[in-house]
Amino acid sequence: SAVISQKPSRDICQRGTSLTIQCQVDSQVTMMFWYRQQPGQSLTLIATANQGSEATYESGFVIDKFPISRPNLTFSTLTVSNMSPEDSSIYLCSVGERGYTFGSGTRLTVV
Amino acid sequence: GQNIDQPTEMTATEGAIVQINCTYQTSGFNGLFWYQQHAGEAPTFLSYNVLDGLEEKGRFSSFLSRSKGYSYLLLKELQMKDSASYLCAVGLENDMRFGAGTRLTVKP
Repeated sequence: SAVISQKPSRDICQRGTSLTIQCQVDSQVTMMFWYRQQPGQSLTLIATANQGSEATYESGFVIDKFPISRPNLTFSTLTVSNMSPEDSSIYLCSVGERGYTFGSGTRLTVV
Repeated sequence: GQNIDQPTEMTATEGAIVQINCTYQTSGFNGLFWYQQHAGEAPTFLSYNVLDGLEEKGRFSSFLSRSKGYSYLLLKELQMKDSASYLCAVGLENDMRFGAGTRLTVKP
């Protein structure tokens, strides 16, 4: 199965700033997914990123807040924009294959 | 909408067997996944069922009944390291939906 390198692993950010999270996959994949996991909760899908097209966002998530790039078949970024304390979560990328593989996650704390 | 239900918490004793149930009602179905997630870590894949029946993998087994919208994860010979959250997830056409997870505590 694919191996995903996600960074940063954690960050503490000031409110109002933005953070970009990167995921690098060791093989070409068509679809990449971005999830959020708020404290004590399960995973919620933010958006699906396909190479060469705009990301598809789930209800409650918008491109202005969570812009996504997918420049090629092995890489994607998620930006959390204009952060507030409510954005404090773990953010995870995953690739779309059987046994969906997850990156190691980014633990974001907004102060 | 998509509904995936599993118990919030369970407790079991080291060496025992525990069964974690999951029921689902989704607009599509492309397999049932179980993940293990230790605190502060990313989920790790445990099992995948797309056909009815039992899939066994070492101490872990997973069962699926598509007609009943039901799955369970069976953990045998529990070890302390099995204390974790267990996430049930349904594969859809282009993504995956997760249950809220079951936090399992294994006691000596």
